[in-house]
Parts: sequence; C-alpha cells; structure tokens
Amino acid sequence: KAGVTQTPRYLIKTRGQQVTLSCSPISGHRSVSWYQQTPGQGLQFLFEYFSETQRNKGNFPGRFSGRQFSNSRSEMNVSTLELGDSALYLCASRHGTGPHNEQFFGPGTRLTVL
Amino acid sequence: QKEVEQNSGPLSVPEGAIASLNCTYSDRGSQSFFWYRQYSGKSPELIMSIYSNGDKEDGRFTAQLNKASQYVSLLIRDSQPSDSATYLCAVNSARLTGGGNKLTFGTGTQLKVEL
Repeated sequence: KAGVTQTPRYLIKTRGQQVTLSCSPISGHRSVSWYQQTPGQGLQFLFEYFSETQRNKGNFPGRFSGRQFSNSRSEMNVSTLELGDSALYLCASRHGTGPHNEQFFGPGTRLTVL
Repeated sequence: QKEVEQNSGPLSVPEGAIASLNCTYSDRGSQSFFWYRQYSGKSPELIMSIYSNGDKEDGRFTAQLNKASQYVSLLIRDSQPSDSATYLCAVNSARLTGGGNKLTFGTGTQLKVEL
C-alpha cells in the first residue's frame, strides 16, 4: 500500500506570496492532519480534516487554511508569506478519528521564504 | 509547563546497550501515546503506539506507560548505529470540543549509538 504523498517536496517563495501544498493520504484513510516543523518550535499541529470537514485547528493565524476533497486528498494554503513561515510542512493520515488510530506521515514539503 | 516534555539529549549509548528514552505529559485525559523516529532531513516514522498502562514490546522496542505518573518511555535493546536519530514522543488528547484529534509532540530526544 502506498504511503502518504506530498507535493511539491521543495518550494522557494518570497515574502507576501501565497503557497498551496498538496497531500494524498494512504488509501482508505479519511483523516488528514497538517503539521509545521521548525528547529525552534518543533512539530506543531495546524489542523485536521475528516470527511471534508475541519475537525480541529491549532494556534496558527488565519493566513493558514486548508481543505479536504471528497477523495480525502487535502491541500493547505498559506497566504501573505512571512520569513517565519519557512519550515517543513508535514501531512499525516489515519484511518479514522478514534484516539487510538495511528497516524502516518508523508515526506513533507520544505518551504523556504526569502 | 510544556504539554509534552522530553530531554533533548543527546543521549549517547554504546552499540549493543539499552537506550532508555523518557517522556512526561501534562494532560491526565490523554488516551493514546506514540513514539516516532526521525532521521535528519526526513519525516517522522511511527515506531510504536501504547494505550494501556504497562509494557508493550515489538522486536527490540518496548514502550512503557504509567498514566498515574503521566510518564511514557521507550526502551531500545541491542542499540545499533542505525538507531541514531531523534525520537519524538506524541500524545493524543481526545477531549477536544467538536471532536477530532490533536497529536502534541515533545521536542524530541537525540539518540547517538556509538561504535
């Protein structure tokens, strides 16, 4: 079974631009979560989607948004990029929403904001 | 107090020894606990999950959970140089308004297995 895939793997943008990242979960997984990882803050939760609905959201500004499609694929968007948005953005999928469902990460998208 | 705390290390152990990685968490309502391994430049890889008090073994790895002490640990037996990585403890707090899940991660412990 194929794992979680993320595109693109690397991105370079300039301040003020916007960016859209894509994630395809493991086949059969309906829950997708997004995380931001930086050396200073570690792994921080952005949001979780299940059945096209945002179930939970982390403490990030409104510039960070996401959505999920009917095939469970998900996108996240960051508008008006800031230098501090440079990070590894990780998508993770799980089969369901129960607390014991294991979560598997994709390879990540490394975003550099200049 | 951080929600999930880990010693950042580095923790250095000789090849063949047992590596012990520890994690404490603050939310008593947490229901599930996960250990991930992350190699430099790569994404986290799930090693083990544990939900009940006690030990859970999988190959060279043993996860231990003590909910009363709010403590989770990971033991790696017969440590190998390939085990050198950052180990992340993650806690799922399912008591969220509107349902859903949120994994809260510790900052990770860097493990170095020396020849």
